[in-house]
Amino acid sequence: DAMVIQNPRYQVTQFGKPVTLSCSQTLNHNVMYWYQQKSSQAPKLLFHYYDKDFNNEADTPDNFQSRRPNTSFCFLDIRSPGLGDAAMYLCATSRVTFSEQFFGPGTRLTVL
Amino acid sequence: GQNIDQPTEMTATEGAIVQINCTYQTSGFNGLFWYQQHAGEAPTFLSYNVLDGLEEKGRFSSFLSRSKGYSYLLLKELQMKDSASYLCAVKSQGNLIFGKGTKLSVKP
Repeated sequence: DAMVIQNPRYQVTQFGKPVTLSCSQTLNHNVMYWYQQKSSQAPKLLFHYYDKDFNNEADTPDNFQSRRPNTSFCFLDIRSPGLGDAAMYLCATSRVTFSEQFFGPGTRLTVL
Repeated sequence: GQNIDQPTEMTATEGAIVQINCTYQTSGFNGLFWYQQHAGEAPTFLSYNVLDGLEEKGRFSSFLSRSKGYSYLLLKELQMKDSASYLCAVKSQGNLIFGKGTKLSVKP
């Protein structure tokens, strides 16, 4: 089945210790997104790629970086996680930018 | 500014009909999505409206009025599994803005 896969589902890191979250897709979609979602809040778009073209949201902290080495994979790097970065991180894909999005199951990040 | 408003919580009874409203004030409008999100899970797509009117898809329907900046999601014949958060999202000027979602609880 075509899908969006995120690993790991749960990630624990220490304050200030770099962490990388991964996302892969078998849908062959052009666009990949990373969202941050805190409890009872709306998903907040961090960045998205159309193919290799990177689009950073204006209010995404510099602490967050992303890489898309090929169509199938996309990574979220948090260089120095703070306690406020604890959240669910959702990866999504779509054929065209901001058309119907297909979400992965998410990675729940805990910062100790 | 960009703003999307939805009720925070709603409760309804199994078998009933419920309407979840969404109002938006955005700079430009290119379409409106509804997503369903069960607790601890990822959102899943329900509907997309770009023109005024009602779109029906099984038990779920979505309505849009662009002049009023208003949409609603109508759920019929409610089932216990419909207990979830329902997110309204507006596509505007090359961006997608999500509302905070409406948590629907379906009671027996």
